[in-house]
Amino acid sequence: ETGVTQTPRHLVMGMTNKKSLKCEQHLGHNAMYWYKQSAKKPLELMFVYSLEERVENNSVPSRFSPECPNSSHLFLHLHTLQPEDSALYLCASSQGSTSTGELFFGEGSRLTVL
Amino acid sequence: GEDVEQSLFLSVREGDSSVINCTYTDSSSTYLYWYKQEPGAGLQLLTYIFSNMDMKQDQRLTVLLNKKDKHLSLRIADTQTGDSAIYFCAETLIRGSTLGRLYFGRGTQLTVWP
Repeated sequence: ETGVTQTPRHLVMGMTNKKSLKCEQHLGHNAMYWYKQSAKKPLELMFVYSLEERVENNSVPSRFSPECPNSSHLFLHLHTLQPEDSALYLCASSQGSTSTGELFFGEGSRLTVL
Repeated sequence: GEDVEQSLFLSVREGDSSVINCTYTDSSSTYLYWYKQEPGAGLQLLTYIFSNMDMKQDQRLTVLLNKKDKHLSLRIADTQTGDSAIYFCAETLIRGSTLGRLYFGRGTQLTVWP
């Protein structure tokens, strides 16, 4: 596999469920990101991981919990979500400050919260 | 500032040129990007321009940067139906950090009519 792979592509969950989104990058990059894409809004940066350091957007609710076990894998753990959390969740990776900063995105995980 | 503004919709006829405009607020921006998102897919980098350039051409794509007005545009020559997608403008403010963070506009939906 090449590039950035996200699973599952589609997820429907109730507000009391616990689920996880997975992202894997095969590009040898050293930084990974979670973005949230909602209709009619700018992409929202949720979390950044680089060299085992975690940076987060303080406006992201605690019901979203990221995990980055190594430089190639990134998870987003979901629990007790709300209907307004329904969105496309995009994972991305980059080579950090040694590059021109561009992000390489996965296809996204479409989340629907009932 | 991290505000990136774009018009939401643009419609053109096949074969015509498309011009998608973007304004940004932070004069410290180092790189500016254009990404393309097709339905059901993630974002794909189309092109980028470094802030000390005013023009970049890549096949059918021409990027113009006016730093004084903080205005970025993407021109697509001979637009095809396959160019129909959402186009995102983004900027990054790499300031000696190991992490480059991109700030995106809301995206311009380009519709190409046959």
